[in-house]
Amino acid sequence: EIVLTQSPVTLSLSPGERATLSCRASRTVKSNSLIWYQQKPGQAPRLLMYGASSRATGIPDRFSGSGSGTDFTLTISGLEPEDFALYYCQQYSSSLGWTFGQGTRVEIK
Amino acid sequence: QVQLLESGGGLVKPGGSLRLSCVVSGFTFSDYYMSWIRQAPEKGLEWVSCISGDSNYRQDADFVKGRFTVSRDNAKNSLYLQMNSLTAEDTAIYYCVRGGPAFGSDWGRGSLVTVS
Repeated sequence: EIVLTQSPVTLSLSPGERATLSCRASRTVKSNSLIWYQQKPGQAPRLLMYGASSRATGIPDRFSGSGSGTDFTLTISGLEPEDFALYYCQQYSSSLGWTFGQGTRVEIK
Repeated sequence: QVQLLESGGGLVKPGGSLRLSCVVSGFTFSDYYMSWIRQAPEKGLEWVSCISGDSNYRQDADFVKGRFTVSRDNAKNSLYLQMNSLTAEDTAIYYCVRGGPAFGSDWGRGSLVTVS
């Protein structure tokens, strides 16, 4: 089993600031199987990034993803009001299916 | 545009059964893997099952343990999740998701299942 640990649990920032979210895997994850989602209250998750660093359709370029091996990062280069939300990382393995991290909440400071 | 609409959720007693449905539009259903993801109240996301476009490949999370069965009817653009032997731990919003086996690109609004 691969465990994904996201940090911090909560990130308190002001609009315009840079957000850096971490996702650490308990063992090596293939980069093409590391995914990021955004979820707002009362809504379904929305795909942000796939393959660790590729933006999904319609995702603004202030969102970027990086990392490899066991350490991955989602960066939001200048927070907009609509970016305050919950963010999940996810990985896929053919033997175990999908595994999600516990989430990082980005809140307004 | 892509739309996924779940139905069939509700209140069920422990040990009972429920069948969730998801009707899709806006894409060629048979071309895509589909998945079910659930989210318990105030909790994180948990993958349940996925199925290939031709139904030849299915994969389930360990906790399913033969209780849940994912299926699809491509002629009806519909995905299903038959859930048996439900317990309180199965209480969650169940999302229908376009995508798999690796990730989901589009999500429905979800269907709430309450086991009590």
